[in-house]
Amino acid sequence: NAGVTQTPKFQVLKTGQSMTLQCAQDMNHNSMYWYRQDPGMGLRLIYYSASEGTTDKGEVPNGYNVSRLNKREFSLRLESAAPSQTSVYFCASILDRDNEKLFFGSGTQLSVL
Amino acid sequence: SQKIEQNSEALNIQEGKTATLTCNYTNYSPAYLQWYRQDPGRGPVFLLLIRENEKEKRKERLKVTFDTTLKQSLFHITASQPADSATYLCALGKGGYQKVTFGTGTKLQVIP
Repeated sequence: NAGVTQTPKFQVLKTGQSMTLQCAQDMNHNSMYWYRQDPGMGLRLIYYSASEGTTDKGEVPNGYNVSRLNKREFSLRLESAAPSQTSVYFCASILDRDNEKLFFGSGTQLSVL
Repeated sequence: SQKIEQNSEALNIQEGKTATLTCNYTNYSPAYLQWYRQDPGRGPVFLLLIRENEKEKRKERLKVTFDTTLKQSLFHITASQPADSATYLCALGKGGYQKVTFGTGTKLQVIP
């Protein structure tokens, strides 16, 4: 049982390049999330998907897009990367709104030069 | 605006002692509070959840208290071990899908 799997683990981009971070969960969870973690800032919610077919903005959505491809997969896209998007990105999931325990992936360390 | 404060300075404690971490919040009325553990290079791992109508919760060597009047949670690890060394995050939630706000975490170092 892998839980939440994120790829890649590390990525270096040049300013203006685009990329997609992949996330998949095998726990049959309904809701999925993308967070970024920066020193001194804590985890901040970028986007979330309450259920398959829906996505909503979180606290810091600018510069990002998401796709809930199916129940298992939730991807995060940076269309034109900026140095301010250098961060560690975490995907997480919960079973449903009445089960608030978040399960996190191991993260993607992204550097934008 | 909502603010969650955890001691940003690392907490160093001798093995066998009780470690106590603090989480204070302002401008927030959470329905519940959670504590997570995060090891370097890994994602946070859920430890405990305590609801607004609960005062205390225990799980093995862990104890969490929640005082909604003081707007504070205390997280205790009794008989601490070097393996408990990690960063501990508190998170407040209102229920629903997105109302979870995380603190910046406190790094705990248990010295043998």
